[in-house]
Amino acid sequence: DAGVTQSPTHLIKTRGQQVTLRCSPISGHKSVSWYQQVLGQGPQFIFQYYEKEERGRGNFPDRFSARQFPNYSSELNVNALLLGDSALYLCASSSETVYSNQPQHFGDGTRLSIL
Amino acid sequence: GNSVTQMEGPVTLSEEAFLTINCTYTATGYPSLFWYVQYPGEGLQLLLKATKADDKGSNKGFEATYRKETTSFHLEKGSVQVSDSAVYFCALSGRGSNYKLTFGKGTLLTVNP
Repeated sequence: DAGVTQSPTHLIKTRGQQVTLRCSPISGHKSVSWYQQVLGQGPQFIFQYYEKEERGRGNFPDRFSARQFPNYSSELNVNALLLGDSALYLCASSSETVYSNQPQHFGDGTRLSIL
Repeated sequence: GNSVTQMEGPVTLSEEAFLTINCTYTATGYPSLFWYVQYPGEGLQLLLKATKADDKGSNKGFEATYRKETTSFHLEKGSVQVSDSAVYFCALSGRGSNYKLTFGKGTLLTVNP
């Protein structure tokens, strides 16, 4: 079975631009989360979606937005890019339901570099 | 809020040495605890988990026990291999409607032959 897939693998943008990152969860997983991992740090939670509804949002500015589609894939959008947005963006999916906490499975990430 | 503190790296060991990476946490209620591993250029892979006090998670020779009295979840392996070289992250997730993962800063492990 395919794991979590993310695209693109690498991306280079300049300050002020906008970017869209994509994620396809493991088949059957309805929960998708996004994390930002700055070099040398642990991942930081950005968003979580379950059944197309936003369940949680981390401490990130409104320039960051996301959505989940009927097939449970997801997009992360970042507007007005800053140098500090350079990071590895990780997507994770889970088979959890409202009543159970299942492990999250991560993709290999999108490496975003801002020039 | 929730937080995870893990020992600073880097950790450098010789092959077949004993490994301990310390992890302590702060959380309300009864979180689930995880260890994830990240190999160079890759995403995170779940290594092991424990969902309640005194549970022991184990996988590929690695073990960690959920200690509520000391709020700890230390990672151990009796004999490391060169292929274990990676960054290890301790993480927790809360119960109820908030399942987000809170990670430690990571510990870089290098195993020399």
